[in-house]
Amino acid sequence: EPEVTQTPSHQVTQMGQEVILRCVPISNHLYFYWYRQILGQKVEFLVSFYNNEISEKSEIFDDQFSVERPDGSNFTLKIRSTKLEDSAMYFCASTPFPEGNQPQHFGDGTRLSIL
Amino acid sequence: AQSVAQPEDQVNVAEGNPLTVKCTYSVSGNPYLFWYVQYPNRGLQFLLKYITGDNLVKGSYGFEAEFNKSQTSFHLKKPSALVSDSALYFCAVNTNAGKSTFGDGTTLTVKP
Repeated sequence: EPEVTQTPSHQVTQMGQEVILRCVPISNHLYFYWYRQILGQKVEFLVSFYNNEISEKSEIFDDQFSVERPDGSNFTLKIRSTKLEDSAMYFCASTPFPEGNQPQHFGDGTRLSIL
Repeated sequence: AQSVAQPEDQVNVAEGNPLTVKCTYSVSGNPYLFWYVQYPNRGLQFLLKYITGDNLVKGSYGFEAEFNKSQTSFHLKKPSALVSDSALYFCAVNTNAGKSTFGDGTTLTVKP
């Protein structure tokens, strides 16, 4: 079964540094998402992306965050100047279409640790 | 705005007993409801969904969920729990565009 893949599995970064988290969504999916989960707790929506532009973003997704689809396969989340509170698990997800009846297909996440 | 509530942080059951993990929702319009399971150091895995039709929906690994419109609930159930069902379970509701709002999660522990 096709999978969403995320790299790296664990990223350790100094506070204030830039970090890029990478995702390869399922190949025929068109709608992409980033979520954040702190300490195995609630999963929080960050941003959705469709047709090469942001569809929706949460209040968490401030000017320090950006997303990009640099080629036909990768989908990236960049944090420009990391803060301690950015430490979390970051999950990428994809769906075939931007419709409410579609379940999300999640990657296994990147654990981001800010020192 | 849509929201989901999972009133129990933790559910403990004995192996072989039935289990229920509770979820209530709040949406305007018809709900798109989902259950996901998360094992340690893994992403969320889709279990089942309710879109329309029969109120009892069946999903993966023997799980089912009952949609109750009057009570705005979508409880996850399984007739006979396994130790391997121990995990973190999330209820979610989607917007028409597919964005998911998740509950806080319920840790299910099944004891031998």
